[in-house]
Amino acid sequence: LAKTTQPISMDSYEGQEVNITCSHNNIATNDYITWYQQFPSQGPRFIIQGYKTKVTNEVASLFIPADRKSSTLSLPRVSLSDTAVYYCLVVGYSSASKIIFGSGTRLSIRP
Amino acid sequence: GAVVSQHPSRVICKSGTSVKIECRSLDFQATTMFWYRQFPKKSLMLMATSNEGSKATYEQGVEKDKFLINHASLTLSTLTVTSAHPEDSSFYICSATVPTGTGNTIYFGEGSWLTVV
Repeated sequence: LAKTTQPISMDSYEGQEVNITCSHNNIATNDYITWYQQFPSQGPRFIIQGYKTKVTNEVASLFIPADRKSSTLSLPRVSLSDTAVYYCLVVGYSSASKIIFGSGTRLSIRP
Repeated sequence: GAVVSQHPSRVICKSGTSVKIECRSLDFQATTMFWYRQFPKKSLMLMATSNEGSKATYEQGVEKDKFLINHASLTLSTLTVTSAHPEDSSFYICSATVPTGTGNTIYFGEGSWLTVV
């Protein structure tokens, strides 16, 4: 099981771009990298998933270097509502693959 | 919309009673589901893997007789907290995996708050 390491917390301001980096040194060849957002008293919500290089959707971008040992979630122009905990997960090829959560990153956005 | 649904979202029960939490996959079949527990301001902790048609696999330190898991159909897994005590009060979350064109994507339920009084 690939272990992930992220900063415990980050602060930023409205309108700024926020980049959260995650390390996953023992990622396996068939593993994907997925990021989730969690608000208090809610289940984690899917943000973005990728295997390599860059993936972009309507809410975020995900950058994965060639060695895939790390990844960076980029949130453009954050707002107060982006204050949440963000988790980086390494997802295995099998639907039965277990997921072990790291600490996540508690992002606080200020006016 | 939600692809994994949990019920109830909140439940209060008395010490010594049992309470059941349901996790349903919507519009897809899930042979495997996972149950997590989360304490305030802490990360999710994997409790067990729920396998359709067979016994659940529990993580080390999780009492299988305390947390009964049943996965009787391809769209429903249930977690029953038996003889609940105040220390079982927590936020319980389930997840299921959806195969996509870009690998497997995990979806989580909304979570269920259990308070034992």
